[in-house]
Amino acid sequence: AQTVTQSQPEMSVQEAETVTLSCTYDTSESDYYLFWYKQPPSRQMILVIRQEAYKQQNATENRFSVNFQKAAKSFSLKISDSQLGDAAMYFCAYRNRDDKIIFGKGTRLHILP
Amino acid sequence: NAGVTQTPKFRILKIGQSMTLQCTQDMNHNYMYWYRQDPGMGLKLIYYSVGAGITDKGEVPNGYNVSRSTTEDFPLRLELAAPSQTSVYFCASSYVGKVPTYNEQFFGPGTRLTVL
Repeated sequence: AQTVTQSQPEMSVQEAETVTLSCTYDTSESDYYLFWYKQPPSRQMILVIRQEAYKQQNATENRFSVNFQKAAKSFSLKISDSQLGDAAMYFCAYRNRDDKIIFGKGTRLHILP
Repeated sequence: NAGVTQTPKFRILKIGQSMTLQCTQDMNHNYMYWYRQDPGMGLKLIYYSVGAGITDKGEVPNGYNVSRSTTEDFPLRLELAAPSQTSVYFCASSYVGKVPTYNEQFFGPGTRLTVL
């Protein structure tokens, strides 16, 4: 069975600075999909960024980018130019071949003004 | 496009009561899911459905039942509420076709359920 580990329960970053959230996963599958979801205080789950395992190029969405290291089974999220609206819980997620998603426990990100 | 909608937003139940959490999607997605999120935790899969008339258990199905009579609706039933079922419940949907792709899940706003 696959597992997703987020080792940082909480992180803080100064507004306008850059922060990296860590995620590692364990799987025996060779092709899969990885996601980062954001959950603000409203509780809505919002897809931030996604990555296919067979694509070596790291995904980028505006200020959000990932560092995908397939051999190390690592999928970290980098947020550049942090904004107050980025404060939220961030969940790393793995989608397996049965189309089920396994979520990490989350990292709560605080933005310091 | 309303996306995925859930009702109610909040509910308080007494131990032993029953209730149904409603979930509807208007994106013509074939797959639908129910998750629960306990405090400080990620989401855990309760049940899922790959199409109308087909449902299957997820990681934590005990104490719940589901049905999928239409593509749009996927209600979750709690028969005998217990304090351990106090949680936030999310419904999600995705389109899964023959060509492998992201198939990302779209989530509803959640239902906060408290069992006292």
